[in-house]
Amino acid sequence: DAKTTQPPSMDCAEGRAANLPCNHSTISGNEYVYWYRQIHSQGPQYIIHGLKNNETNEMASLIITEDRKSSTLILPHATLRDTAVYYCIVRASGSARQLTFGSGTQLTVLP
Amino acid sequence: GAGVSQSPSNKVTEKGKDVELRCDPISGHTALYWYRQSLGQGLEFLIYFQGNSAPDKSGLPSDRFSAERTGGSVSTLTIQRTQQEDSAVYLCASSLEVQGAMPQHFGDGTRLSIL
Repeated sequence: DAKTTQPPSMDCAEGRAANLPCNHSTISGNEYVYWYRQIHSQGPQYIIHGLKNNETNEMASLIITEDRKSSTLILPHATLRDTAVYYCIVRASGSARQLTFGSGTQLTVLP
Repeated sequence: GAGVSQSPSNKVTEKGKDVELRCDPISGHTALYWYRQSLGQGLEFLIYFQGNSAPDKSGLPSDRFSAERTGGSVSTLTIQRTQQEDSAVYLCASSLEVQGAMPQHFGDGTRLSIL
């Protein structure tokens, strides 16, 4: 699986959009970009994933650059409950079954 | 329920005792995974089940650890003769399939503390 790079921490004001970047410059053509988050004392929570096109669901939007070397997770209206560690993972279809999280980005939503 | 359910949520036991942790995956999910996470650490893969195939036990840290999945649904992780280094949060995840882009969905884990 391709390596990803994320900033260690970010702050965001409550109600504003949170934009979390991820670099994955060695991504291969069959590798998907996944985002998970982990709120303290809870299990990891799946947020969204995509291959080439931008994706949106009820939780977030995923913007993938045309060259696929980076992506941005967007939480459109951050709330205090969105404070968590956010993980960007790149995995190929049919790749190793287990997930491996890097160090992620600690997002703190400020009141 | 709609999500992955794990029980108990917390377990405190004495060193040397056996423990059983339970996981109820999302209905219809064929793949089930066990991980553990120590304080401030990443995920450590333990074992995975996919349908009727033989489980991948490559992540089990010792022969004190075992797991089974009955009827392709509920799974139990058993730790025999627990040691203090077994203290961690044990997480279960399930997904629709192993291959393809299907994401894994996690339970909230069992926090195991060995005294």
